[in-house]
Amino acid sequence: SAVISQKPSRDICQRGTSLTIQCQVDSQVTMMFWYRQQPGQSLTLIATANQGSEATYESGFVIDKFPISRPNLTFSTLTVSNMSPEDSSIYLCSVRTTGFNNSPLHFGNGTRLTVT
Amino acid sequence: SQELEQSPQSLIVQEGKNLTINCTSSKTLYGLYWYKQKYGEGLIFLMMLQKGGEEKSHEKITAKLDEKKQQSSLHITASQPSHAGIYLCGADTTANQFYFGTGTSLTVIP
Repeated sequence: SAVISQKPSRDICQRGTSLTIQCQVDSQVTMMFWYRQQPGQSLTLIATANQGSEATYESGFVIDKFPISRPNLTFSTLTVSNMSPEDSSIYLCSVRTTGFNNSPLHFGNGTRLTVT
Repeated sequence: SQELEQSPQSLIVQEGKNLTINCTSSKTLYGLYWYKQKYGEGLIFLMMLQKGGEEKSHEKITAKLDEKKQQSSLHITASQPSHAGIYLCGADTTANQFYFGTGTSLTVIP
């Protein structure tokens, strides 16, 4: 399975600032996703990171707040913009090495974000 | 979006006891996956089920998918403290996206 490195692993940020999270995979993958896990809750899909084009966002998430880049098949970034304490969560990058319904998602260790 | 309900929401068991976690979908599942998350860590993939009636086992954990492909169960036999964590089911949707269930928190008391 793919090895996924996510940076930073944790950060404490002030409200109103932005943080960019990086996700690097050791091999080319077909699909990359970004999830959010709020304290005590399950994972919620933020968006699908599309290589060379705009990300596909889920309901409730917008590009201005969570801009995503995916310049190639092994790398993606998620930016949390103009942060507020409500953005305090774990953000997880995940990848799929083959297509739909063929293989599980693999996850990085996540970025634990605290906004003060 | 796909709705995956898990039950129970939390579970506290004595070491050595058996337990079952359920995952129910409002729609037919194209693929059902079980994950475990230790507190504060990333997700570990456990098992994948694709066919109605399919059953898979790994060590003391068994997962089943019903014939209608709308419900799955995860059964742990003779639980150990190492089994503690959050168990999440996940599923593919027709939109080529992946959604997670509501999660089950498991505590095993030595």
